[in-house]
Amino acid sequence: DTGVSQDPRHKITKRGQNVTFRCDPISEHNRLYWYRQTLGQGPEFLTYFQNEAQLEKSRLLSDRFSAERPKGSFSTLEIQRTEQGDSAMYLCASGLAGVETQYFGPGTRLLVL
Amino acid sequence: KQEVTQIPAALSVPEGENLVLNCSFTDSAIYNLQWFRQDPGKGLTSLLLIQSSQREQTSGRLNASLDKSSGRSTLYIAASQPGDSATYLCAVETSGSRLTFGEGTQLTVNP
Repeated sequence: DTGVSQDPRHKITKRGQNVTFRCDPISEHNRLYWYRQTLGQGPEFLTYFQNEAQLEKSRLLSDRFSAERPKGSFSTLEIQRTEQGDSAMYLCASGLAGVETQYFGPGTRLLVL
Repeated sequence: KQEVTQIPAALSVPEGENLVLNCSFTDSAIYNLQWFRQDPGKGLTSLLLIQSSQREQTSGRLNASLDKSSGRSTLYIAASQPGDSATYLCAVETSGSRLTFGEGTQLTVNP
C-alpha cells in the first residue's frame, strides 16, 4: 500500500503526559499537512510543510504542540503536557506543490484521560 | 476568516433516491473546492475537486457544482446505494494551501 500511513492508530494517555505521532506521506509528495478533527466536526488545519520547511502554522497550534519533518519525508507531531481538550483524531495528508489534491491518512485517534 | 457551512447536518434516504448535499462558504477568494467522503473512524477520501474557474465536475454517480460568486456548491448523488452511507465533507482551499472544512453531512442510505 503506497498511501499515507500514520502511527499509532490509537493512543490513550493520561493528562500531563507527552505523546508523539508519526506520519509517512506518499513517497514523491513534497507537501505534508496536519489537521485535527473533534467528534462531529470537520477537520481543522494545524500546520503544513513543504519539504523540511514548516511554511504555515495555525493559531490552534499552541506552544505545547510541535511538528517536525527533518528530512522532508516523514513527519512527527508532538503534544506536550496533554490536556483532555486535546482528545481528537489527528489527520495527516500529503500532496504535491502545484497539485491541489491532498491525500489523507487513516488518522491517529487520541484519548486523554 | 473563511467559514464553511454544510446543510443538512444529517440525511436519511431510501435506496435509489437522488439527493443533493449543500455547501456554502463566506469568502469567494478560493483556489478550489473539494468534496470528501469519510467513513466512521477513518480518514478522508477525495471525491471531486472543482477549480475556481470551473462550474462543475462529474465522477460516476456524483456531480458537484460550484457557484463561486454566491459562495455555494452542491454535491448531487444519483441512484443512492447503501454503500454511499458516510459523512460527506466540503472543503475550500484558500491561501497557503490550507483546507477549510465544513462540519459535514452524515448520510444514511437505507436498503
